[in-house]
Amino acid sequence: QVQLVESGGGVVQPGRSLRLSCAASGFTFSSYAMYWVRQAPGKGLEWVALISYDGSNKYYPDSVKGRFTISRDNSKNTLYVQMNSLRAEDTALYFCARDRGGTYSYYFDYWGQGTLVTVSS
Amino acid sequence: DIQMTQSPSTLSASVGDRVTISCRASQSISSWLAWYQQKPGKAPKLLIYKASSLESGVPSRFSGSGSGTEFTLTISSLQPDDFATYYCQHSRTFGQGTKVEIK
Repeated sequence: QVQLVESGGGVVQPGRSLRLSCAASGFTFSSYAMYWVRQAPGKGLEWVALISYDGSNKYYPDSVKGRFTISRDNSKNTLYVQMNSLRAEDTALYFCARDRGGTYSYYFDYWGQGTLVTVSS
Repeated sequence: DIQMTQSPSTLSASVGDRVTISCRASQSISSWLAWYQQKPGKAPKLLIYKASSLESGVPSRFSGSGSGTEFTLTISSLQPDDFATYYCQHSRTFGQGTKVEIK
């Protein structure tokens, strides 16, 4: 069965960096675009990064552009997001999610359980 | 950017009720819309894609309709497991959510 397991969250000071990972199993990881989506405490959902199936294309919203970098290692079935210059407003539960159609459908059919990032001094 | 606006923000209903949640796009999005259900502390679950296509494994009491700028999620007979928050989504933008609570 499809599984996505995030890790790497924690408490970090403003301005510091953190790298999240998402280990995928149960499907052909290299055939699917993947996303990171976050949810601040008590708030709604916000898409933060998209990577194509082969890693050649990456997209970000303005809120994280230049600070976050999404990447993937298809040999390890793992998705990453490198988060630099973290701000208090980046505090959220971070989910990885799979594209239902494989390529930029923006329909997220499988999600991980999330990993919590808290940015605080 | 296209904005997605849901209504109501909160909905109180009883088991067995027919429930409708609305989602409006700031400009036409054809049928490029999804609906998700989220329970506290859990990941969202895809219910509907392409405005009206039911995701595999989702009970048939859930249905989606609409096109252009106006969309609706309907739960035909609310079940205890359906009390949750529902989000519409177009591309990179989510609605603000509708919480369905027990009346």
